Amino acid sequence: EVHLVESGGDLVQPGGSLRLSCAAPGFTLSDRHLDWVRQAPGKGLEWVGRSRNRANGYTTEYAVSVKGRFTISRDESKNSLYLQMNSLTTEDTAVYYCASLGSSGYSYAYWGQGTRVTVSS
Amino acid sequence: DIQMTQSPSSLSASVGDRVTITCRASQGISSSLAWFQQKPGKAPKSLIYGASTLQSGVPSKFSGSGSGTDFTLTISSLQPEDFATYYCQQYKSYPLTFGGGTKVEIQ
Repeated sequence: EVHLVESGGDLVQPGGSLRLSCAAPGFTLSDRHLDWVRQAPGKGLEWVGRSRNRANGYTTEYAVSVKGRFTISRDESKNSLYLQMNSLTTEDTAVYYCASLGSSGYSYAYWGQGTRVTVSS
Repeated sequence: DIQMTQSPSSLSASVGDRVTITCRASQGISSSLAWFQQKPGKAPKSLIYGASTLQSGVPSKFSGSGSGTDFTLTISSLQPEDFATYYCQQYKSYPLTFGGGTKVEIQ
């Protein structure tokens, strides 16, 4: 059973920064495309961005709403995925999930439990 | 961006009912569509990808169909554990986009 574990969620003031992490003990993340997906309170799912796998150079894609403010990166030595969030606004308040695509590369096979980010003064 | 429209936004059904949820894409996405189930306070669960391929471990009461712009998710015989919110997602092109969700409630 694969377990993705997010961490780093917190209460932060508008304009602040936060870094989220996603780890997967016993599961090699470098072979998989990984996404961040968020869900604002009482709302639906919103795709945030993608880090492609090592074979694709860990290249990234972002939603328009976060482009230029959020950065997705990896640390292969720590088998971890990160989401650096800058210039946060109240609109970024959400539960953030990391999700791993399956071996087919088409859709998510595994999800984390989520980490909560609250942007408020 | 490709817009995904789900209908209905909510429905009430009874145990044993056959339930169908529709997802429409604003432009053709071939079969690049996935379905997810989410229960309150929990992470989403992947059900279907490629419009009709069940994820490993997903029971066969779930089925998906469609191609191009129109897709359906069908639950053949609704059980208590199936009451949840269902989302579609297109992965044909960036940005990936989700439908607004369909909440399936107990009648």
